[in-house]
Amino acid sequence: KAGVTQTPRYLIKTRGQQVTLSCSPISGHRSVSWYQQTPGQGLQFLFEYFSETQRNKGNFPGRFSGRQFSNSRSEMNVSTLELGDSALYLCASSLVSGNADTQYFGPGTRLTVL
Amino acid sequence: AQSVAQPEDQVNVAEGNPLTVKCTYSVSGNPYLFWYVQYPNRGLQFLLKYITGDNLVKGSYGFEAEFNKSQTSFHLKKPSALVSDSALYFCAVRDDGSGGYQKVTFGIGTKLQVIP
Repeated sequence: KAGVTQTPRYLIKTRGQQVTLSCSPISGHRSVSWYQQTPGQGLQFLFEYFSETQRNKGNFPGRFSGRQFSNSRSEMNVSTLELGDSALYLCASSLVSGNADTQYFGPGTRLTVL
Repeated sequence: AQSVAQPEDQVNVAEGNPLTVKCTYSVSGNPYLFWYVQYPNRGLQFLLKYITGDNLVKGSYGFEAEFNKSQTSFHLKKPSALVSDSALYFCAVRDDGSGGYQKVTFGIGTKLQVIP
């Protein structure tokens, strides 16, 4: 069974640009969560989608948005990029959106903003 | 609000010795607790989780964790460390939902260095 895949793996953008990251969950998984990982802040929750609906959202500005498609694939978009947006963006999928459900992570997309 | 504390930025242990990576948590309801490991330039890999039942949970690669409700702790342990265990370890907690739907909260991470 294929794991969680994320594309692209690496991105370099300049300030003010926008970026779209993609995540394909494990087959059969319907929940997708996004996290931002930085050395100083650790893993911070961005949002979670289940059955095309946003279930929960972290404390990030509106420049960060996401969506989920009917096949459970998810995208996140960051507009008007800032230097501080440089981070590893991780996607995690789980079977359902349950509290005890295990999340399986993709390898991440490394975003560098210049 | 829920939170997770990993009080040690780094833990150094000699190969073959037992290791412990500490984690304490705070939630309003009953906790679901997780440990993940991250190798360089990789995503997080699930190690084990506590939902209910036996306080000692066994997981992948010989790791185990002990849930202590009174101390609100969920320390990760391994009887004999391997050099290949050197990585970044994350503890995570999620409320059981009695207080409403909750996201997963991760600790800041503890770097484990196993010295040959």
